[in-house]
Amino acid sequence: DAGVTQTPRHEVAEKGQTIILKCEPVSGHNDLFWYRQTKIQGLELLSYFRSKSLMEDGGAFKDRFKAEMLNSSFSTLKIQPTEPKDSAVYLCASSRQGRAEQFFGPGTRLTVL
Amino acid sequence: QQKVQQSPESLIVPEGAMTSLNCTFSDSASQYFAWYRQHSGKAPKALMSIFSNGEKEEGRFTIHLNKASLHFSLHIRDSQPSDSALYLCAVSMGTGGADRLTFGKGTQLIIQP
Repeated sequence: DAGVTQTPRHEVAEKGQTIILKCEPVSGHNDLFWYRQTKIQGLELLSYFRSKSLMEDGGAFKDRFKAEMLNSSFSTLKIQPTEPKDSAVYLCASSRQGRAEQFFGPGTRLTVL
Repeated sequence: QQKVQQSPESLIVPEGAMTSLNCTFSDSASQYFAWYRQHSGKAPKALMSIFSNGEKEEGRFTIHLNKASLHFSLHIRDSQPSDSALYLCAVSMGTGGADRLTFGKGTQLIIQP
C-alpha cells in the first residue's frame, strides 16, 4: 500500500499570498489530520476529518486556514493570506476509523517571506 | 483540554547506554498512549503503544505506563546512533484509541558513538 503523499514538498510564498497544500491519505483510511510542526510549539492540530466530515477545526487557526476533503482520497489545506509566522512544516496524517495509529506524510516545508 | 508534556527537551546518550524518555498527561480518563519517532526531515512514525497499566517490551524498546501518576515512559536498551531522532509521545481519550491524538512537543535524542 502506498503511504500518505503530500505535495509540494517545499513551498516559498510572499506575505499575503494564497497557498494550497495537498494530501492523499492511505487507501481505506477514514480519518485525516492536518498538523503544523514547529520547534517551539511542536505538533499543532489544524483540522480533523472523519469520513470527509469535519470533526475538529483548530480554533486558533480558523481565520486564515481552511482544510477541505474533496473526496475520500484527497484533501487540501489553504492558507489565505500567508504571514511570515506561518513558516513551518505542515504534516498530513491518516488512520483507519477506530484505530489510533496515525500514518504521516513527509510534510510540506513552507517558508513565507 | 488534554495537556501532554515531555522531558527532557533534549538528551545526549553514549552508544550502548540506556535511554529513558518521559511523558506526562493531564486527563486521567486517557485510554491510549503511544510513542512516535521522527528522524530528521522525515515523517513521524509510530514506534510503540500501550492501553493498560504496566510494561510492554518490543526488542530494545520498553514502554511503561502508570495511569495513577499520569505518566508513561520509553526506555531504549543498548542505544544505537540510528536511534538519534525526535521522539514524540501521544495520548488519546477514545476507547480502543479511536479518537484524535494529543502530542507532546518532543525530546530530541542524540546517541553519541
